[in-house]
Amino acid sequence: DAKTTQPNSMESNEEEPVHLPCNHSTISGTDYIHWYRQLPSQGPEYVIHGLTSNVNNRMASLAIAEDRKSSTLILHRATLRDAAVYYCISDSGGYQKVTFGIGTKLQVIP
Amino acid sequence: EAQVTQNPRYLITVTGKKLTVTCSQNMNHEYMSWYRQDPGLGLRQIYYSMNVEVTDKGDVPEGYKVSRKEKRNFPLILESPSPNQTSLYFCASSPLVAGKLFFGSGTQLSVL
Repeated sequence: DAKTTQPNSMESNEEEPVHLPCNHSTISGTDYIHWYRQLPSQGPEYVIHGLTSNVNNRMASLAIAEDRKSSTLILHRATLRDAAVYYCISDSGGYQKVTFGIGTKLQVIP
Repeated sequence: EAQVTQNPRYLITVTGKKLTVTCSQNMNHEYMSWYRQDPGLGLRQIYYSMNVEVTDKGDVPEGYKVSRKEKRNFPLILESPSPNQTSLYFCASSPLVAGKLFFGSGTQLSVL
């Protein structure tokens, strides 16, 4: 599983889009990219995942670079409830040995 | 409701007193895993299991044991807890292939 790097923290104004970057330069061709988030006092929860193409769901969009060495989680309109730590991880499909790292702490400013 | 259940939610114990944190999932997932979360260190994997009777070490397995005798249960055992095992622990499960990880609510352990 590839190592990922993310900024420690980011800020966004409420109701504005947020782009959370992740670098995974050692990713292999079969590794999926997953995003999770952890709200205060809760366990992490799944946000989105993808392999090569950009992905959309009701929570967010995932934009994957053409060379797959980086990806961006896009929250289209940040709300106060989106304030959380966001984790980018990669795995080969089986979660065998997965490292979450520190993630990006997103602060949403009213 | 599909869920991962951890017990207890909070636990205070003393050094050397064996304890078990239970984890159970009702989704028939093959994969289960334990993590610990410490300030500034993020989530680190302790042990994981790909199926019944199959377990393997994660990044920080020292001082912990696990067992997977049934598919739904994956207890974390601390035979002789020490203060450096004071942490927030999470259990998670997933179907094996490209599935979502489902996390429990966490167990806050304090070892005095």
